[in-house]
Amino acid sequence: QVQVVESGGGLVKPGGSLRLSCAASGFTVSDSYMAWIRQAPGKGLEFVSYINSGGTYIGYADSVRGRFTLSRDSAKNSLSLQMNSLRAEDTALYYCVRGRPELDYWGQGTMVTVSS
Amino acid sequence: EIVLTQSPGTLSLSPGERATLSCRASQSVNNNNLAWHQQKPGQAPRLLISGASKRATGIPDRFSGSGSGTDFTLTIDRLEPEDFAVYYCQQYGRPPWTFGQGTRVEVK
Repeated sequence: QVQVVESGGGLVKPGGSLRLSCAASGFTVSDSYMAWIRQAPGKGLEFVSYINSGGTYIGYADSVRGRFTLSRDSAKNSLSLQMNSLRAEDTALYYCVRGRPELDYWGQGTMVTVSS
Repeated sequence: EIVLTQSPGTLSLSPGERATLSCRASQSVNNNNLAWHQQKPGQAPRLLISGASKRATGIPDRFSGSGSGTDFTLTIDRLEPEDFAVYYCQQYGRPPWTFGQGTRVEVK
């Protein structure tokens, strides 16, 4: 059974850092596209970052490029998102999603709140 | 980046009616790599359609997708009570992947 479970969210001050993790089961992360998608409270979906199945390409939204870093751990079958220099506008529910490349399995999300 | 514009913003319909949702792209979507996702309140999104017209596993056949290039449509025949939700189109043909702003289908 395909499953992705996010963790690592929380409350952080502006300028702070946070690392999100995504544990996958039922499939192999290194054989899949994997993405982070976020949703600010009451708003729509926003692409954050993704990695292709070969691991040869990592893409970022302009709004996070240079601040966020996506990485993959094949041994742990997991995905991470290192978020630095956080801003209030980064406050959102962050979803980890498997891609084929269409986004076919979504986790339940982990909430990140950036506030002083 | 490819901007996706969905219309209408809100669609007010009754159960049993047909819903027609539009998604227009600012540039042609490579290989028609256009998906539709459904999101209900308090839930994660769910993939409905990929490749513009292919239903995902377990999706009822009252959901259908069509279109190519820059104009795409999601049609829901005979709305069921569980279909009232927000629908997002999303392109994965060219990075950065992008989403439309969503169409809310609400009970009239």
